[in-house]
This record gives sequence, structure tokens and C-alpha cells, in this order.
Amino acid sequence: DAGVIQSPRHEVTEMGQEVTLRCKPISGHNSLFWYRQTMMRGLELLIYFNNNVPIDDSGMPEDRFSAKMPNASFSTLKIQPSEPRDSAVYFCASSPGLYTGELFFGEGSRLTVL
Amino acid sequence: AQSVTQPDIHITVSEGASLELRCNYSYGATPYLFWYVQSPGQGLQLLLKYFSGDTLVQGIKGFEAEFKRSQSSFNLRKPSVHWSDAAEYFCAVGSDSNYQLIWGAGTKLIIKP
Repeated sequence: DAGVIQSPRHEVTEMGQEVTLRCKPISGHNSLFWYRQTMMRGLELLIYFNNNVPIDDSGMPEDRFSAKMPNASFSTLKIQPSEPRDSAVYFCASSPGLYTGELFFGEGSRLTVL
Repeated sequence: AQSVTQPDIHITVSEGASLELRCNYSYGATPYLFWYVQSPGQGLQLLLKYFSGDTLVQGIKGFEAEFKRSQSSFNLRKPSVHWSDAAEYFCAVGSDSNYQLIWGAGTKLIIKP
């Protein structure tokens, strides 16, 4: 079975540019999480969807960040405008249940903002 | 406050030696406990989980962990490490009423040949 698929794997952009990260969760999973990982702050939960509906976006750092899940097989995380402090690895994870804690992570999108 | 502490930032172990990674938690509800592993350049992978029942749980890749409620600990063990076990290991805690996992800072495992 295919796992969680993220694209792009690497993105280098200049400050002020728009960045869109994409995620395809595992088929049949109804929960989707976006995480950010940095050396300084570790893993941070940005937003959580259940059945395509955003449940909690309190982890989204600023209004520059937005996320959508138009259907069960696709989600995007957008940063506009991007800033150097957004440089991080962004992970998408899906889960088969609401409170199982069993997360299946993608390989991540490494974002570098110059 | 809810928290997960992994006291060791790095651990170096010789190949073939035994391993124990420590995890302590502070959590108000009955905890669900997890260990995840992250290989370089990869996402996290679930090693094992504890929800209830037998306090010694077996996971993938030969790992096991023991839940000790009195010590608020969930330490990860492996009797004999392989070079391919070099990775970062994360402990996490959740519950049946909270989707959000609380993550430890991770322990980086280095294997000496």
C-alpha cells in the first residue's frame, strides 16, 4: 500500500514568495495532521483535519499560513508570503482514527526560504 | 502541565549491545504512550504503542517498551542493536479524549561499529 505522499521533497525559495506544500494521505484514513519540525522547536502541530474539516488550527503560526483539505485524498499547506524563519521540514501525517495516536508520516517537505 | 521528557539527547551504543531509551511523562488523563523512530531524511514511523493491558509491549524491529505507572515512565529497549537502528527516537503521549500528541524532544541513537 502507498504511504503518505508529500511533494515537493525539497523547496528553496526567496523571501516573499508563495509556497504550497501538498499531501496525499493513506486511503481510508480520516484524520490528517500537518507538523513542522525544526532543531530549535522540535515537532509542532500546525493543523488537524478530521473528515476533511479543519478541527484545530491553533498551531498555525500566523495568518501567512493556511491549509485546506478539499477532499479525502488531498491537502495543501500554503505560506504566503514566506519568510526565512519558515525554513523547516513540514510533515503531513494521516491516521485511521480520531484518537488513536497512530500517525503515518510522509517523508516531509524540506523548505528553505532565503 | 502535560509534558514528555527524554533525558538523553544523544546515546552512543556499540553494535550488538543492549539499548534502553528513557521516557518520562506528566499527563492528567490515562495515557496512551508511543515510541516513534525517525531515520535521517525520513518521516517518523511508529515503533510501538501502549493503550492498556499488558505493560510490556512489543513493537517492530525487535523493540519493546515497558509502562511503569508508578514511575510515569515508558522506556524503550532492545537486547541487541544493529547499525541500522541509528536514528532519532521520539516518545509521545496522548489519550482517548485528546487527538493531540505531546512529544518528547527526541533521543539520537549513535551506533559504534
